[in-house]
Amino acid sequence: EIVLTQSPGTLSLSPGERATLSCGASQSVSGNYLAWCQQRPGQAPRLLIYGASSRATGIPDRFSGSGSGTDFTLTISRLEPEDFAVYYCQQYGSSPTTFGQGTKVEIK
Amino acid sequence: EVQLVESGGGLVKPGGSLRLSCTASGFTFSRYTMNWVRQAPGKGLEWVSSSSGSSDYKYYADSVKGRFTISRDNAKNSLYLQMNSLRAEDTALYYCATSRLGIYAFDIWGQGTMVTVSS
Repeated sequence: EIVLTQSPGTLSLSPGERATLSCGASQSVSGNYLAWCQQRPGQAPRLLIYGASSRATGIPDRFSGSGSGTDFTLTISRLEPEDFAVYYCQQYGSSPTTFGQGTKVEIK
Repeated sequence: EVQLVESGGGLVKPGGSLRLSCTASGFTFSRYTMNWVRQAPGKGLEWVSSSSGSSDYKYYADSVKGRFTISRDNAKNSLYLQMNSLRAEDTALYYCATSRLGIYAFDIWGQGTMVTVSS
């Protein structure tokens, strides 16, 4: 199965700053079928990005995804207070679908 | 409103059984592959099992294969997970999830139901 490694484990930033989260795959992700989701404390995950770069319905344009093959990035252009959460990448190009271990974005 | 509501979690002894349910509303349930995803306390997400819309295809994570069984009743808009031979490492919040995008990027999640395996 494909192992996804997210970095950094924790990102300490201030509101208004730019966040860059990385997701590396142990092998190439077929079709760039890579998603990002956000999980706030006590809540279910929420899909942000699918197909590496397509925003899900209702997701603000400050969230963007990029990358291909084995290296992917989620960028939050200007952090809002509600963006401080844990972010997971997920590949669904190969079975089984797998998730990264998560990056926590915390308030500095 | 599109919604998934899980139920059936609880405290069970090692070796015991539990049946989880997920009831869907607001979308055509039978059209979509439905999934169970779990999250151990303080840990990340782990896909557990999937069932195609017509139940023709069912898939399981290696960690639960032979112990868990996924099923669905499209007439009741419901998904189930029968969990047998439970272990301490099965302790987790179990989410029901699906994708309206025709892929495994899950855009609909329930709120989860907690399963605790402990003596």
